[in-house]
Amino acid sequence: DAKTTQPPSMDCAEGRAANLPCNHSTISGNEYVYWYRQIHSQGPQYIIHGLKNNETNEMASLIITEDRKSSTLILPHATLRDTAVYYCIVPFNNNDMRFGAGTRLTVKP
Amino acid sequence: NAGVTQTPKFQVLKTGQSMTLQCAQDMNHEYMSWYRQDPGMGLRLIHYSVGAGITDQGEVPNGYNVSRSTTEDFPLRLLSAAPSQTSVYFCASSEGARMETQYFGPGTRLLVL
Repeated sequence: DAKTTQPPSMDCAEGRAANLPCNHSTISGNEYVYWYRQIHSQGPQYIIHGLKNNETNEMASLIITEDRKSSTLILPHATLRDTAVYYCIVPFNNNDMRFGAGTRLTVKP
Repeated sequence: NAGVTQTPKFQVLKTGQSMTLQCAQDMNHEYMSWYRQDPGMGLRLIHYSVGAGITDQGEVPNGYNVSRSTTEDFPLRLLSAAPSQTSVYFCASSEGARMETQYFGPGTRLLVL
């Protein structure tokens, strides 16, 4: 079982920011939060990860609450190509990364 | 770099047959893993390896064997195929144990009749 909960689906208008929430209330102090996405039936693609500080890269931003019990992945200007299933993951241990059902994001024109 | 490659892309088996799904990476990554993805579901970890000669079980290991004789290759063996093993199988690799960036292969679609 995954250690995170995510809404099953979300919609976003093209060009607007997509904010994808994730709850991980049982996360411990040294556990990272990872985000991946899967476009159609391709292999998942790494997006970003973080521990306690907010993180940003060329793909997205990750905002982690101060108590670390939840986080939000932000795609600042969503495009149609961002339509995918987004997975928020807290590994069971350093080597066991389990994907849940994820959030299916649909970007609409 | 070719990245992570998987063969075959598609396979049909009869119940009880055995086969090996191949996975190779040319990035000199220590960590490799196998996942299965059933229709409409997320990925589930089958087995993983943190280096040559070292393997361990993930969430759903039953019915599958793995070995890691080289850094590059991580084959997955189905011992006696069952219809419940119909799925898409993904192999992945990453540089370190934290799996900070896992690179996934294109997948193998397996149908067991």
